[in-house]
Order: sequence, then C-alpha cells, then structure tokens
Amino acid sequence: EAGVTQFPSHSVIEKGQTVTLRCDPISGHDNLYWYRRVMGKEIKFLLHFVKESKQDESGMPNNRFLAERTGGTYSTLKVQPAELEDSGVYFCASSRGLAGDDTQYFGPGTRLTVL
Amino acid sequence: QKEVEQNSGPLSVPEGAIASLNCTYSDRGSQSFFWYRQYSGKSPELIMSIYSNGDKEDGRFTAQLNKASQYVSLLIRDSQPSDSATYLCAVNADFGNEKLTFGTGTRLTIIP
Repeated sequence: EAGVTQFPSHSVIEKGQTVTLRCDPISGHDNLYWYRRVMGKEIKFLLHFVKESKQDESGMPNNRFLAERTGGTYSTLKVQPAELEDSGVYFCASSRGLAGDDTQYFGPGTRLTVL
Repeated sequence: QKEVEQNSGPLSVPEGAIASLNCTYSDRGSQSFFWYRQYSGKSPELIMSIYSNGDKEDGRFTAQLNKASQYVSLLIRDSQPSDSATYLCAVNADFGNEKLTFGTGTRLTIIP
C-alpha cells in the first residue's frame, strides 16, 4: 500500500508569488489533513477534509491560504500571495476515519521557503 | 501555557538502556494520545496510540497514560542507535474532532 505522497518536496519562492502544494492520501482514506511546522515550533493543524468537504478549517491562518479536495481524492493547498512567515514544512496526513481506527498517516512534507 | 508540552532535549541514552520520554497536556477532556517518531527530513511515523489510563506495551515500547495528572509517557526498552530520532507527542481533543495537537518534540540520541 502506497503511503501519503506530497509534491513538491521543496519549494523556494519570492514574497508575493503563488505556490500550490499537492497531497495524495492513501487510497481509500476519506480523511485528509493539512498541518504546518514553522521553524522551531510545533506541528500545527491547518484543516481537515472528509472526502471533498471541509470538516474543520479552524487552523487556516488567513485568507491567503486556499485548500481544495476536488472529487475527494488528492488535495491542493495554495498560498497566494506568499509572505515570509509562510515558510515552513507543510505536512499532509490521511486516515480511514473508521470507528476505532483514527491513525493519521503522514506524508514526507513540503518544505516551503519564502524569500 | 502550551497545550502539549515536551522537553525538547536533546536526551542522550546509552545503548541498551531505557529511554523515558514525557508529555503533559492542558485539555483535560483529551481522549486520544499518540507518539510519533520522526527521523530528520522524514515524515512522522506513528509508533504508539493510547486511549485509556494505564500502560500499553508493544514490543520494546510502552506508553503510559495518566489522565488525572494529564500526563503521557513513552518508554523505550533496550534502546538501539536506530531509535535516535525526534519523538512527537500528539493529542486529540475529543472524539469527532480529529485534529491533532502536537508538542514540539523531544530529540533522542542513543549512544553506542
């Protein structure tokens, strides 16, 4: 079974530019999560999809961030326009969402650097 | 006060000894507790989950939960150099709210 994959692994952009991160969850996992780790801080929740619906987006920092999950498969996270403080590692995770099995499996992350 | 607190380390333990990692959390209503291991540049990997007070053992790993004290720990017996990694404590506030709240992680080094 393939794990959670993320693309790109690294992205370096200038302030004001747009970046789109992609996450492919484990096949069959209805739940998809985005998290972010800023340098020196803990991993923080951004949002949670159940299939194509946003279940919880309470962690999204502001309206420069837009997440989509069309068709309930892969998800994208767009940052537009990027700011310096957006630099960090963006993790995606997925889970089955079944009772008694709430394990979240994480992808390798996308390291975003905004110059 | 941080929601989930861990000692950032680094924690150095001789090979073969027991490594003890600790975590406290502030939300008394928290229901699910997880320990993830993260090697440098890699994805966090779940190694233990615990939901009830007491101990849960899986191989060389034992998770301990004390909800009254809002404390969860991870013991690694017979530590191996391959156990050297950052260990992340994560808490799920309540059933139906699945977002994880993480601590900053404890960096563990096993000394051969």
